[in-house]
Amino acid sequence: AQSVAQPEDQVNVAEGNPLTVKCTYSVSGNPYLFWYVQYPNRGLQFLLKYITGDNLVKGSYGFEAEFNKSQTSFHLKKPSALVSDSALYFCAVRERYSNSGYALNFGKGTSLLVTP
Amino acid sequence: DTGVSQDPRHKITKRGQNVTFRCDPISEHNRLYWYRQTLGQGPEFLTYFQNEAQLEKSRLLSDRFSAERPKGSFSTLEIQRTEQGDSAMYLCASSSRGLNTGELFFGEGSRLTVL
Repeated sequence: AQSVAQPEDQVNVAEGNPLTVKCTYSVSGNPYLFWYVQYPNRGLQFLLKYITGDNLVKGSYGFEAEFNKSQTSFHLKKPSALVSDSALYFCAVRERYSNSGYALNFGKGTSLLVTP
Repeated sequence: DTGVSQDPRHKITKRGQNVTFRCDPISEHNRLYWYRQTLGQGPEFLTYFQNEAQLEKSRLLSDRFSAERPKGSFSTLEIQRTEQGDSAMYLCASSSRGLNTGELFFGEGSRLTVL
């Protein structure tokens, strides 16, 4: 089974500082990896994905993620955090279910708190 | 088009009652997914439709759970004889291109509270 792990329940960072939210993966074959963000009382919003190509993926709201095959990691990063970035962040991996197609397997999430 | 719509947003029911949630995907999206999310956990995949065909349902939590998408447009998720452990957020997502190249678009969810 394809899976991701988010080792940190919460990440705290001061506004203006760089942030990193960690994700490691366990897959057979080439991974398809995603990051989503969930603001309070809002649905999950897509940030970025890695399918193939450049290891540095740029996404929405100034976020980027670095795919590292040797470390089996896909950490989410932003050079300068904003208070409005405070939210739940989920890493996900594409999983094949029988012969019928794919769905996303999500990590348990990391709560990001950016303080002024 | 305003994205994926779910109804109701919040349902409170007594144990043993049946509940039904509705999901209206983005209009041109032929793929539709249901997930469940409990507090402190990531979304858990339940089932998947391509057009009106339910292509994956082995992840539904028990035989009390069922889903339909009769005309390939909106979908319903029904839980029969609800239990307190069914209390969770039920999320619907849709996509047009599948996960080879695309991503999932999520609704805001339907929160179920079973008393």
